Amino acid sequence: DIQMTQSPSSLSASVGDRVTVTCRASQGISHYLAWYQQKSGKVPKLLIYAASTLQSGVPSRFSGSGSGTDFTLTISSLQPEDVATYYCQNYYSVPWTFGQGTKVEIK
Amino acid sequence: EVQLLESGGGLAQPGGSLRVSCAASGFTFSSYAMNWVRQAPGKGLEWVSVVSASGGATFYADSVKGRFTISRDNSNNIVYLQMNSLRAEDTAKYFCAKRRVGGSDRDAFDVWGQGTMVTVSS
Repeated sequence: DIQMTQSPSSLSASVGDRVTVTCRASQGISHYLAWYQQKSGKVPKLLIYAASTLQSGVPSRFSGSGSGTDFTLTISSLQPEDVATYYCQNYYSVPWTFGQGTKVEIK
Repeated sequence: EVQLLESGGGLAQPGGSLRVSCAASGFTFSSYAMNWVRQAPGKGLEWVSVVSASGGATFYADSVKGRFTISRDNSNNIVYLQMNSLRAEDTAKYFCAKRRVGGSDRDAFDVWGQGTMVTVSS
């Protein structure tokens, strides 16, 4: 199985800061990587698929990059409504494994 | 509007069984693979199972293989997860999720249901 490792596990940043979350796959997954946002008590929401393609309706301050084993989710200017846990997901091969999550808070 | 609505969760005893369902609407259900994903209280997301659009292919996480069975009814737009030999560690909210593109072998999950809670306890 492909293991997905996110870092950091949590972070605290100020409104307007640039925030970066990384995700590493234990083996190459090409561009078959998605990012989800889950706010407290809510359903996961797809932000980015194919490593860098923004899902319709997602604010442009979110972006993704990477290929192979190393991927990055960037929030260019953190907003209060971005407080959430973010998960990466491999969909290159079953099992479609998720990272352990990165909790983003406002300082 | 695309919607997924899970039902059937509840309390089950260790070793017992439960079937959860997910009713879909707003899209051509028979064209999309469907997934189950679970989340234990306070924990992260864990993919559980997928069924192909036709129902002819199924895959499972190792943690549930041999105990859980996914199936679908394309006439009534429902996907099921039959859970047998339940364990305490199966306690979680179970979400159904739709693959983003119909007919794709590999794609992200663009629509999620609200989830149904399954608790395994004596």
